[in-house]
Amino acid sequence: GESVGLHLPTLSVQEGDNSIINCAYSNSASDYFIWYKQESGKGPQFIIDIRSNMDKRQGQRVTVLLNKTVKHLSLQIAATQPGDSAVYFCAENSGNTGKLIFGQGTTLQVKP
Amino acid sequence: DSGVTQTPKHLITATGQRVTLRCSPRSGDLSVYWYQQSLDQGLQFLIQYYNGEERAKGNILERFSAQQFPDLHSELNLSSLELGDSALYFCASSDVAGHTEAFFGQGTRLTVV
Repeated sequence: GESVGLHLPTLSVQEGDNSIINCAYSNSASDYFIWYKQESGKGPQFIIDIRSNMDKRQGQRVTVLLNKTVKHLSLQIAATQPGDSAVYFCAENSGNTGKLIFGQGTTLQVKP
Repeated sequence: DSGVTQTPKHLITATGQRVTLRCSPRSGDLSVYWYQQSLDQGLQFLIQYYNGEERAKGNILERFSAQQFPDLHSELNLSSLELGDSALYFCASSDVAGHTEAFFGQGTRLTVV
């Protein structure tokens, strides 16, 4: 069935370092991808998205890379800050609905 | 603040009971989504409504139902509740039907005892 999975359940980084969170997706028909951040006790918060006609998209301190050949997605966070500590989810979408298939999530811990 | 409002924030109820969760989408958004988040299943898509009509359905149990009203708010009804229904239920909204970011509410934490 459909699935989106994350390689690392927990990532611990030093403040100021760059973070890379990886995600594998299984549906080759997926053409839209999103990264969400979820802090404890809150709903998922949109970070950045990318469509399948692109392989890279940059935002403020974040970059998403898409490799459709191996069905892999990554989120890079530059100069990681304590406020970046959260669970990060990748999600994929296909078709003409907004249905998102979420990965299991990666916990990012930032050490001061 | 995402602009999506969910009520109540917490709900404790007994097995076999029925509850209704309410969601007000962001102003101007026509699409509403419901997701369930549990520890062992992660974030699972339940159902989507667009401008009052059902648009997509996930693995939503027959005991669960939803609707979107003319003012675009939505309700998720959960009946014959079981212990395993305990979870966070999130509502999200977006301006169009798909291929766009959805903005999530703070969720309703349902505990079935």
